[in-house]
Amino acid sequence: QVQLVESGGGVVRPGGSLRLSCAASGFSFSDYGMHWVRQAPGKGLEWVAVAWFDGTDKYYADSVKGRFTISRDNSKNTLYLQMHSLRAEDTAVYFCAKDTGSDYSLDWWGQGALVTVSS
Amino acid sequence: QSALTQPASVSGSPGQSITISCTGTSSDVGGYNYVSWYQQYPAKAPKLMIFEVTNRPSGVPDRFSGSKSGNTASLTISGLQAEDEAYYYCSSYTTTNTEVFGGGTKLTVL
Repeated sequence: QVQLVESGGGVVRPGGSLRLSCAASGFSFSDYGMHWVRQAPGKGLEWVAVAWFDGTDKYYADSVKGRFTISRDNSKNTLYLQMHSLRAEDTAVYFCAKDTGSDYSLDWWGQGALVTVSS
Repeated sequence: QSALTQPASVSGSPGQSITISCTGTSSDVGGYNYVSWYQQYPAKAPKLMIFEVTNRPSGVPDRFSGSKSGNTASLTISGLQAEDEAYYYCSSYTTTNTEVFGGGTKLTVL
């Protein structure tokens, strides 16, 4: 059974940093692209970033480019999202999600980690 | 990376059919057959319902179907059931190797 478990969420001040982790199990982690998607309170889904297979290819939403870094450790079956220069508008539940293959459709999702940026 | 356009809400009675539209551009929806649809209940993670425009993952009822014409994709739910009441989001791959979601549609079963 596929499982994705996020951790590392919390409260951080504007301008601060935070690192999210997503522990994966139940599938061959290195064979799939992995994404981060966020959802601000009461709002819709917003795609954040993807890291493909060995992590060499990474792409970001314009809203986080230059501030967030996605990475993966295939030896630990873990996906990361390092977030810097956080803003109030980054407040959201952050989901990690597994790609079905290479078509940007997401077939398994974690339960989400809440990040609150507030002074 | 502008969000895809979905109606804010749709409604239907049990047994009826509804269709949710998702409009993008030639740089996303119109340019690729990589449109997905997700169902989300409040405070829950999204669930993939349709991928690659028309395909259903295992376990998704065949009451759910997808289609696309030009820059607009659609999700149709036939034989509406009370349990279908949820938020629905479309998404598409884009020319910049990113993904874009629609704003979401709240489906109310009357």
